Amino acid sequence: EADIYQTPRYLVIGTGKKITLECSQTMGHDKMYWYQQDPGMELHLIHYSYGVNSTEKGDLSSESTVSRIRTEHFPLTLESARPSHTSQYLCASSGGQGLEKLFFGSGTQLSVL
Amino acid sequence: KNQVEQSPQSLIILEGKNCTLQCNYTVSPFSNLRWYKQDTGRGPVSLTIMTFSENTKSNGRYTATLDADTKQSSLHITASQLSDSASYICVVGDRGSTLGRLYFGRGTQLTVWP
Repeated sequence: EADIYQTPRYLVIGTGKKITLECSQTMGHDKMYWYQQDPGMELHLIHYSYGVNSTEKGDLSSESTVSRIRTEHFPLTLESARPSHTSQYLCASSGGQGLEKLFFGSGTQLSVL
Repeated sequence: KNQVEQSPQSLIILEGKNCTLQCNYTVSPFSNLRWYKQDTGRGPVSLTIMTFSENTKSNGRYTATLDADTKQSSLHITASQLSDSASYICVVGDRGSTLGRLYFGRGTQLTVWP
């Protein structure tokens, strides 16, 4: 069972609001990731981090930002939400040597009205 | 262009039957291939991970095969159960960058009927 948690599970907000999606893991993993997934589509990497104070943008252009102040915590922030941000956001982590398994959280389903 | 294609897009089977899901990829240079199970409204859960040298890997009733020459993989589910209803995602990793980039397929939506 993966020890990676995302809150909230569901969020409905109005356009222009600032939101933060929380992600925490208790496995001590150095690497953490944020993916965006629309129904029936593949996951797209939007941000990743290889450790504290290390963050990079992924493949998919995103207006969100992330921070990694603590190993276990990797929040994602949208300064001004728009309807185009409506999607499922999945947080993941991996660690250890060799071929690393990705552990995913349960996701946050975001709806921007 | 690195891509992962899965077929069929959706599949309905009766409980107790077997099924096979397909994955074709063009990712190069190849590093590893993973199968994930994603229940509706949940995050994906790892089923198997295979490297270039592995032809088959099992996890309970799930058996994945890999043919790195033809760049094809399959996931065989034996004696299906209602709880097998989910999306099954094929993921291919490359070794061309320090990130160890992963390419995701769109998944096969499996429905198991009683």
